Amino acid sequence: DIQINQSPSSLSASVGDRVTITCRASQSMTAFNWYQQKSGKAPKLLIYGVSTLRSGVPSRFRGSKSGTDFTLTISSLQPEDFATYFCQQSDSGPPTFGQGTRLDIQ
Amino acid sequence: VQLQESGPGLVKPSETLSVTCSASGYSIVTGWSWGWIRQPPGKGLEWVGSIYHSETDYNPSLKSRVEISLDTSMSQCSLRLTSVTASDTAFYYCARAPLRVNARGDGVPGFRFHYWGQGILVTVSS
Repeated sequence: DIQINQSPSSLSASVGDRVTITCRASQSMTAFNWYQQKSGKAPKLLIYGVSTLRSGVPSRFRGSKSGTDFTLTISSLQPEDFATYFCQQSDSGPPTFGQGTRLDIQ
Repeated sequence: VQLQESGPGLVKPSETLSVTCSASGYSIVTGWSWGWIRQPPGKGLEWVGSIYHSETDYNPSLKSRVEISLDTSMSQCSLRLTSVTASDTAFYYCARAPLRVNARGDGVPGFRFHYWGQGILVTVSS
């Protein structure tokens, strides 16, 4: 199975800040996705295929890749962005998720 | 596009967990596969399994206990998990993903989950 290590596990930031969340996979791939989960709700797909924004997702969200490191960047945090974020590989073997990053208001 | 999970919220240890997902807004056979993902309260996400037509794919760690099926006439997808223990307590989500294409050119279940149900909490306890 492809292993994913997501960091940090939690992050405090302010409205307007730029934040970065990283997932390191055990191999390189292109089928890599990011989800946002708000408290008490189901996850929502934000980005797929490393960097493709799902329709309706604001452009302040960006996904990128360097080798086996995958990054979600939120360029200017908005109040509605405070949530938990999960990365996921859907490339091969059973799909696996990162452990999650909880993004809190500072 | 709406998905709604239903089923018992409490299951006894060693018994079988059964959850059903009902879809509305599109046909069950539109070329998208179904998946089940679970999340213990306060923890991370774990893929349980997926199905497209009669093609199934299960998490190896659960494969001996899981069965996923489709009822095309009712636009429903069902999950059965046998011999449950407290560690199976979780929110169970159904979701839909676009198909992948295998080396033979066949459509097989995908794992990029675009649409999710609201989830159902199933607690395993006596």
